[in-house]
Amino acid sequence: DGGITQSPKYLFRKEGQNVTLSCEQNLNHDAMYWYRQDPGQGLRLIYYSQIVNDFQKGDIAEGYSVSREKKESFPLTVTSAQKNPTAFYLCASSIDARSGMAQYFGPGTRLTVL
Amino acid sequence: AQTVTQSQPEMSVQEAETVTLSCTYDTSESDYYLFWYKQPPSRQMILVIRQEAYKQQNATENRFSVNFQKAAKSFSLKISDSQLGDAAMYFCAYRRMNYGGSQGNLIFGKGTKLSVKP
Repeated sequence: DGGITQSPKYLFRKEGQNVTLSCEQNLNHDAMYWYRQDPGQGLRLIYYSQIVNDFQKGDIAEGYSVSREKKESFPLTVTSAQKNPTAFYLCASSIDARSGMAQYFGPGTRLTVL
Repeated sequence: AQTVTQSQPEMSVQEAETVTLSCTYDTSESDYYLFWYKQPPSRQMILVIRQEAYKQQNATENRFSVNFQKAAKSFSLKISDSQLGDAAMYFCAYRRMNYGGSQGNLIFGKGTKLSVKP
């Protein structure tokens, strides 16, 4: 089945540690996105990638980093510089970044900093 | 900058009844896309419906339909014959047309929590 997978579902991190969230898609989509969701809020864009080996900062990129070495994969690293990383993280993809085709989302990762 | 407002933090509907969720947006653009996403307790975002602003016809998907009022910048979602499985957070989202990069990304409202009573 085609879709987007994220792992792990739950992740715990100690302060000062970097952690990497996985996002994989087999939809053959060019564009991929990372969003952060906090309680009572909509989604906010962290990073996006329009094509392999290219990515751009979104609205809240500070303390995060990404890579896009393969079309199927877009991992997100939450660094120790992120001051308030506890949140729900959603990965999405779309056919491309320019058309109005919908973004499809993975099941999310809940990150908790201990 | 574009903004999306969902003025109803919570709504409730009786099973089999109809409910309408409100969404307004602010933009100076004439062409754009609008979306409704559903987030059930599993927290996965699921696309419900998509509307192209240049189309006057309101989009429909089975029991879900929209009332798109372009002049009023309003994009409400109507759910007919509500089912228990419709209980979820519903997010309205806006996207500019034919823009790549950050200009073309989704802008979300804060959501409406829908409860369905049996």
